[in-house]
Order: sequence, then structure tokens, then C-alpha cells
Amino acid sequence: QSALTQPASVSGSPGQSITISCTGTSSDVGGYKYVSWYQQHPGKAPKLMIYDVSNRPSGVSSRFSGSKSGNTASLTISGLQAEDEADYYCSSYTSSSTRVFGTGTKVTVL
Amino acid sequence: QVQLVESGGGLVKPGESLRLSCVASGFIFSDYDMSWVRQAPGKGLEWVSHTNSGGITIYDADSVKGRFTISRDNAKNSLYLQLNSLRTEDTALYYCARGRYSSVSWGQGTLVTVSS
Repeated sequence: QSALTQPASVSGSPGQSITISCTGTSSDVGGYKYVSWYQQHPGKAPKLMIYDVSNRPSGVSSRFSGSKSGNTASLTISGLQAEDEADYYCSSYTSSSTRVFGTGTKVTVL
Repeated sequence: QVQLVESGGGLVKPGESLRLSCVASGFIFSDYDMSWVRQAPGKGLEWVSHTNSGGITIYDADSVKGRFTISRDNAKNSLYLQLNSLRTEDTALYYCARGRYSSVSWGQGTLVTVSS
């Protein structure tokens, strides 16, 4: 149950687009459609941003989108805003019927 | 609205036990799978355990297998996590979360500190 691999940090200027990668294996990310993404601001509980690879829960901005290719999933934030500055985590269902989270990415808005 | 409220955290010594509780409201608790996720201070999220809606099917992370036990009481809209043989590395904020493959609803967490 090794954590999924994410870049430690990603930054961008307001209005730009950024992409966060999440790399796993064929036993997790590559094997299932159950990849989700969470946003976490300091001192707050995680917030679901994307589920089932590319679906947005009600109320989540359309600036957030998800995709997957092989063993790597991606979260793209377009039109970056100051409020998007937070930690982001991916998660995947696994072949052991468990879940695994990514190592986390700190997004900085320059 | 959906609400999850955790309780039961505290300061304990290595080897001791704790029981965490999570009371749910705003949805039909017995219809949903539930999970526990933890976050050590300054660290990332770690999935801990999951139970299906009936409390029959249970899965645990290797790091807690044999020490932690998840359970639920649907009549009381409550989820539990029994933590035994606690280690310093179990120090974390423990969240309960609704869902099997992803979690749209989370509590605010209860802090468990294991220290001698």
C-alpha cells in the first residue's frame, strides 16, 4: 500500500492553468475508474473536488477537471485563483479493496 | 445538511487504547459505506479502515491491521474505531468520511496523541 506519487509543489500565476499528476500502478490508478481528488486548506477538512476520475460534485467549480491515462491521473485547475492555494491529494481504490492516497501537492498562487 | 461529528480523541501512552466515535446526521446512515482517514501533524492523508453499509465487510490498512477495529451501529447513526496497542506513529487527526470509493462528506476530526 505505497502512497501514490504526486509532485511536492506546483505554482502558477492568477489566470493560468496548472496540472497536478498522480502516479500509481496497474493495481490502483491504472486498474480502476475510482480516482478522486481532494482540496485541503490549512486547518480544514478535505473537500472532494473530483470523483471517478473526471466527475465534479455539485458546487465544485468547472475550473477543476480530472483525467487519467494509464497509471497516471491528473487534476487540472484552469483560471487559477488565489482561493485555489491549498494542498491537493489524489486517492484511488486498489486491488486489495482498500484505498490509497497520494503524497500531496502544495499549490501556490504567485 | 450532512454532518459528521467525531469524538473520543485524547492523549494516551504507547500501548494504551482509545475508542473513537463519529455521529452522523442529515442522511440515511445505514445506506452508506463509511471510512476512517487520518492525518499526522504536518503530513498527508492516510486511509485507515472501511466498513460497508451493514457493517459486515471491513477492510483495514496494513499499518493498523490487528490493532484497530472499525464498527458501526446503524440504529445510533454511529461509526466507531477501536484503537488498541497504540504507537507514537499513530498520533494524528482522525476523520470519519462517508463513501466507499470517494468521500464527499467529512467530519472535522478528533486528535489522537500517543506519547510517553
